[in-house]
Amino acid sequence: GESVGLHLPTLSVQEGDNSIINCAYSNSASDYFIWYKQESGKGPQFIIDIRSNMDKRQGQRVTVLLNKTVKHLSLQIAATQPGDSAVYFCAENEYGNKLVFGAGTILRVKS
Amino acid sequence: NAGVTQTPKFRVLKTGQSMTLLCAQDMNHEYMYWYRQDPGMGLRLIHYSVGEGTTAKGEVPDGYNVSRLKKQNFLLGLESAAPSQTSVYFCASLDRGNQPQHFGDGTRLSIL
Repeated sequence: GESVGLHLPTLSVQEGDNSIINCAYSNSASDYFIWYKQESGKGPQFIIDIRSNMDKRQGQRVTVLLNKTVKHLSLQIAATQPGDSAVYFCAENEYGNKLVFGAGTILRVKS
Repeated sequence: NAGVTQTPKFRVLKTGQSMTLLCAQDMNHEYMYWYRQDPGMGLRLIHYSVGEGTTAKGEVPDGYNVSRLKKQNFLLGLESAAPSQTSVYFCASLDRGNQPQHFGDGTRLSIL
């Protein structure tokens, strides 16, 4: 089946800077996307989601952008903090409410 | 407010042994899922359930069985454990479509 992928496996940023994590998806029929954060020893934690009828959605310090033309998803984290260090996954909702996950991007925040 | 609870948290098995992983959710969600996560990879779907009494195969179902006798519980069984099944197993639940799945904190399983 089709899968979701990530461009950058590791991202290092300075504390206080903005972070951008990218994701490419291949199933043009997907209508719902989710970003998860996973800390060491924990399960994935929901950050933000977006439906295909939207281009942008904002949360607290996080923004998700969806570009359906090029099948690209990004997660922007403003004023990155040490507590943001984790692995970030994008996931695509397949038919039947099944998620397809990308491999993940490691975000490292330098103090 | 427990959410999704997985037991046990850690387990070591010998090749050929069997065991059952338990997932319990207290949110009255219809859908439940079992995933495995291997180093450097995203989560892969093993089996899932769209309601009490139903189960279906995911991407990597071989060597596993599941049961959903009660709405709040989803059991994952390994019939004859193999070293290739060494992984971290995550359970998730979902209320309805186009909503985020809620995950437990995983079971770390090593098979020697």
